[in-house]
Order: sequence, then structure tokens, then C-alpha cells
Amino acid sequence: DTAVSQTPKYLVTQMGNDKSIKCEQNLGHDTMYWYKQDSKKFLKIMFSYNNKELIINETVPNRFSPKSPDKAHLNLHINSLELGDSAVYFCASSHTGQGYGYTFGSGTRLTVV
Amino acid sequence: AQTVTQSQPEMSVQEAETVTLSCTYDTSESDYYLFWYKQPPSRQMILVIRQEAYKQQNATENRFSVNFQKAAKSFSLKISDSQLGDAAMYFCACTNRDDKIIFGKGTRLHILP
Repeated sequence: DTAVSQTPKYLVTQMGNDKSIKCEQNLGHDTMYWYKQDSKKFLKIMFSYNNKELIINETVPNRFSPKSPDKAHLNLHINSLELGDSAVYFCASSHTGQGYGYTFGSGTRLTVV
Repeated sequence: AQTVTQSQPEMSVQEAETVTLSCTYDTSESDYYLFWYKQPPSRQMILVIRQEAYKQQNATENRFSVNFQKAAKSFSLKISDSQLGDAAMYFCACTNRDDKIIFGKGTRLHILP
């Protein structure tokens, strides 16, 4: 059973389109995250949700909107895609305050052409 | 703000030899956690080892061990008996009880047969 699953794994789309990436975890964790990994492999946090409440909202264009329907799901919607949005997006989850680190999904490689 | 610095962008080691990856961090927190994550070509993020800052004893997981120097804010990873499957990007990371993990820029490790 996959602990943190993201769909799709690959996404190729044209500039200006709107796309969504879905994430689900079955670990019973209370916090979920979105990270962006750029072409130089740098990982930067974008958002985190704790029990459906937005906790971390880093400096991210407002074209990016996270949505958490329940604590097991955190989706990322991106409007008006730009070339610079091309990256790998990782979903992750954790038990807040336990210090055990994150469990990551396998990532979604987004390519904007 | 927390920062994590990995000064070695790339390293190479002969198979079966030992290699040490360096990491320094900066945090104003008194209670925090440190991690090493591995990212093989499959791009999956895998937790290798974890250290609680209040514990003086260095963490060990099989062939992986850390040298945690709290006063120097140093957290290096030693890989013993290197294997071909150890080839990957290695990320050092730091978090406090808010669970926001800050990653270093990574070290790409090559294993030479």
C-alpha cells in the first residue's frame, strides 16, 4: 500500500493552462505539505496544512492554490501555467511536532511548454 | 530563520570505501531535529537517518551514521562500505517542532565500481 500517493506522476501542458495535482496519504498524519524541486534539485516548501487548516504559505504566486478537503488529502491547483513553473512537485505528510520527518510522495514532474 | 548548508555539490567514492558528506546548519531553536534524505534517480525522497538535537549520542542506521556536533552546528553523514545503490542526491535537513523542514542544496554522490 502506497503511504503518500500523488497523481499524476508526469504532466506536460501548454502555457496558460490550468492544472491540478492530487495527493493522498493513508498514514493518519495530521499535516501535509507541498514542496517544489527546481532544475538544480533545490527543495523549497510552498504550503502546509494541518487538519485542513493552512499553516504555512510561503512566497508563492497566487496562481498556486492548495485545497485540503480533509486531513488525508491535499491538492494543488495551478492557474495560468508559466514556463518557470516547470519543476518536480512533492507532496509529503507528517505527525506535527513528533520530529520524525516527512513521508514523501513520488513527485509529479510538471513540464510547461 | 533556519539555514542548511552543504558545501560539497558532488562527491565520488570507490565501492566498499567510506565517505563522509558534510552539513552545517543554523537555527535559533533550542529543540530541533536533523535529517539526511536520499534521492536516487527514481526521484523518491527516502529518509536515511534522523537525529534529535537534545540527544548527544550520534544516530546510526546500519551502514549510515552521523557525526553530530551541536556546538559547531555540524551534522555530517558517514556511509561505510559504499554500495552502488548508494548513488544518489543526499539532502541534509533541519526542522523544529513546527515541522517546517528546511533542506540544504544537496550533495550528489557517485559510487565508482
